[in-house]
Parts: sequence; structure tokens; C-alpha cells
Amino acid sequence: NAGVTQTPKFRVLKTGQSMTLLCAQDMNHEYMYWYRQDPGMGLRLIHYSVGEGTTAKGEVPDGYNVSRLKKQNFLLGLESAAPSQTSVYFCASTGLAGGPSSYEQYFGPGTRLTVT
Amino acid sequence: AQSVTQPDIHITVSEGASLELRCNYSYGATPYLFWYVQSPGQGLQLLLKYFSGDTLVQGIKGFEAEFKRSQSSFNLRKPSVHWSDAAEYFCAVGDTSGTYKYIFGTGTRLKVLA
Repeated sequence: NAGVTQTPKFRVLKTGQSMTLLCAQDMNHEYMYWYRQDPGMGLRLIHYSVGEGTTAKGEVPDGYNVSRLKKQNFLLGLESAAPSQTSVYFCASTGLAGGPSSYEQYFGPGTRLTVT
Repeated sequence: AQSVTQPDIHITVSEGASLELRCNYSYGATPYLFWYVQSPGQGLQLLLKYFSGDTLVQGIKGFEAEFKRSQSSFNLRKPSVHWSDAAEYFCAVGDTSGTYKYIFGTGTRLKVLA
């Protein structure tokens, strides 16, 4: 049971390049989330998904797109990277309400992205 | 709008001393409340959670937190801090209206002096 995994762990992009971050969970969780973490700002929600095939915008969605084609995977895309997107990105998942771990968020180890 | 405030950006305590980290929230009803810990270069780990019932909740690593509805607070405490507790701590609020969204505070960085 790996929990939540993220690929890659580190990445350096040049302005204007694109990339996709992959999040995978093996806990059969319905809900998945992408956050960015910046110094002094805590975690801010980018996009989230309440089930396979569904996505919704969070607090800071501009410049990002997401897809949830499979229940276990949640992809975060940057179409044209900007220096302001330099951050640490965390994926998280949560189980359905009523389960033993409902509402608990399980976090991946993070992806450190630098855009030059 | 929902919000979470952690008024202390940094806290320094001596090993063996007691600890209290503050968290205040703004929410229309009683939210789900969480404390997470993040060690350097790591993801976030759940310390404890409050959904309902007993307002004093116990967590892992000897931590506890008390929900005070009248003060909209959910402060984290530990009676005796260990050097390994040095980390960043985040308070979070979970929406109970069905959106399954969470809001995090900006974090409190704990330094422990030997």
C-alpha cells in the first residue's frame, strides 16, 4: 500500500514550457486535490475532483488544468509555465464520508517545481 | 468566507517545555478541524482531527487539541516537547456542506532548543 505518490519529485522548467504532474493513490479514494505551497502562505487549493471524470476549481486555478480519467489518478498540467508557478505542489486524497478515515486528507510527498 | 488563522508564524520552545499552537477559524457552522505536521522536505501528516463529540481530542505523538466553539478556536497542545517535534504545523478546516474542500492556515514553524 503506497498511499499517495507523486511524479516527478523535482523539475526545472523554462518559461513557456509545459509539463504534467501525476498523482496516484491506491486507497480507492473518491476525492483528490492539488495544492501549491509557498512560503508564508500555507497550502492553497488549485483544483480538486469529487470523482472519476469530474473536476472543479479551487482557490488559485489560473494557469493550471487537471484531468481525472481514472479514479486512482489525478493529473495537473501547466500549459505555459511562468516563474510565478515556482512552488511545491502537493496532491492529496480523501475517502468517502462515513468511512473510518473519512474527511482525512492523505498527502503525497510533493513535487518541487522551479520555473526559470 | 471561511478562513483559518494561525497567529504565530514562528515559535521557539526549550525541549521538555509545554507547547500551545493557536488556531482560529471563521465558518458558519461547526467545521471539521484538523492539525497536520510537516517535517522539512516532507508531505503533511495528520496529527489529530475533530468532527463532533468530546471537545478534547487526542492525537499521535502525544499531541492534543481542544475545540472551543465560543472562541472559534482549535489550539494544539503538548505537555513536554521533544527535539523531534521541530517542524511546521498547519491547522485546517474541512467544509461540512458537501463540497469536500479544505482551507489551511499559513502554518506555525516550531523550533526546539536543546
